[in-house]
Amino acid sequence: DARVTQTPRHKVTEMGQEVTMRCQPILGHNTVFWYRQTMMQGLELLAYFRNRAPLDDSGMPKDRFSAEMPDATLATLKIQPSEPRDSAVYFCASGLSGANVLTFGAGSRLTVL
Amino acid sequence: AQRVTQPEKLLSVFKGAPVELKCNYSYSGSPELFWYVQYSRQRLQLLLRHISRESIKGFTADLNKGETSFHLKKPFAQEEDSAMYYCALKRGGGATNKLIFGTGTLLAVQP
Repeated sequence: DARVTQTPRHKVTEMGQEVTMRCQPILGHNTVFWYRQTMMQGLELLAYFRNRAPLDDSGMPKDRFSAEMPDATLATLKIQPSEPRDSAVYFCASGLSGANVLTFGAGSRLTVL
Repeated sequence: AQRVTQPEKLLSVFKGAPVELKCNYSYSGSPELFWYVQYSRQRLQLLLRHISRESIKGFTADLNKGETSFHLKKPFAQEEDSAMYYCALKRGGGATNKLIFGTGTLLAVQP
């Protein structure tokens, strides 16, 4: 059963620290998404990659957030410096371009004190 | 702009009662609509999609283009249906599989 793997599962850090979240998409999937889940906003799309190229990061605060895909097996989401309002669960999802289904990872729960 | 609205953050019903989780969308083209579900301590997963016209775990959803709605319904709720439900929209056709999600509705089925 292929899975999207995210690390870390939980992260507690102090305001101002750098946070890096990692995602291993399902082998063969060529699209990768980062979503942020909060009670107030639900699931917000932060970034979208196809064939490792960033296609849409309009939902991401540019001043502190950055998303990359160094290779086809790794996607990263970095926050520097982190702030308490960044506390949320961050989900990675992968899929095949044109297909209807996204497969989600278990999420990374971030708490910024 | 594409937008998905789920007006209820929480819906509480008793076991055996009918359930309707509301979803409205705004999109000028022909969208594809989905319902995703997240059970406690589990990953977000696809529940159903409008193009399949399927019933999954007793749930159905009909796309109403006139009302721009895609409400999720089940005639008799079960306790195991308690979960967070997200409505999602994808631009129809093309190579994109980008999903826009609503804010989610937490369904609590009481015994």
